[in-house]
Amino acid sequence: KNEVEQSPQNLTAQEGEFITINCSYSVGISALHWLQQHPGGGIVSLFMLSSGKKKHGRLIATINIQEKHSSLHITASHPRDSAVYICAVRYSGAGSYQLTFGKGTKLSVIP
Amino acid sequence: NAGVTQTPKFRVLKTGQSMTLLCAQDMNHEYMYWYRQDPGMGLRLIHYSVGEGTTAKGEVPDGYNVSRLKKQNFLLGLESAAPSQTSVYFCASNVAGVTYNEQFFGPGTRLTVL
Repeated sequence: KNEVEQSPQNLTAQEGEFITINCSYSVGISALHWLQQHPGGGIVSLFMLSSGKKKHGRLIATINIQEKHSSLHITASHPRDSAVYICAVRYSGAGSYQLTFGKGTKLSVIP
Repeated sequence: NAGVTQTPKFRVLKTGQSMTLLCAQDMNHEYMYWYRQDPGMGLRLIHYSVGEGTTAKGEVPDGYNVSRLKKQNFLLGLESAAPSQTSVYFCASNVAGVTYNEQFFGPGTRLTVL
């Protein structure tokens, strides 16, 4: 079964720290997504990547296709960044409409 | 735009009861999905639809049925609820295209089956 592994499972940081969340997957993909799930339960899409790097505000997402690995970085972390961050991939292949999700990384940023 | 909405937000059922969860989107998206989220597990796809009148099974379809009679609505039915179906259910949608597009998620429905 194709799997998506995230690390760490839980992460506690002091406000202002640089944060890295990792995601690895097992076979070729056509796209990788980073999602944020707020404490209230809502899920929003942060990034969609197929190569390289994307930046939005204090968030940066990178992907290394050869190593089958992606990272989500948060610079100058803030308590409002506290959430569960989810990595999801769309595996390559015709008719592949499905996303396979990691279990998430729970981030807590302490003031 | 309201985006993706789900009805109801919370529901408690007894084993054997039936219910329908409604997902509606006002973004004219072709693709719609139903997921379930359980503690310690990633989101898992139940059923999906790539257009009005078409549906397909996802990873965990047993015990659920779906219908997509209108482009904007995707219904998830539980004919005979079981405690194993206690979960948080999310609907999502996205536009179709050669390049896969981001999914927009609804707020979720928390279902408890006693």
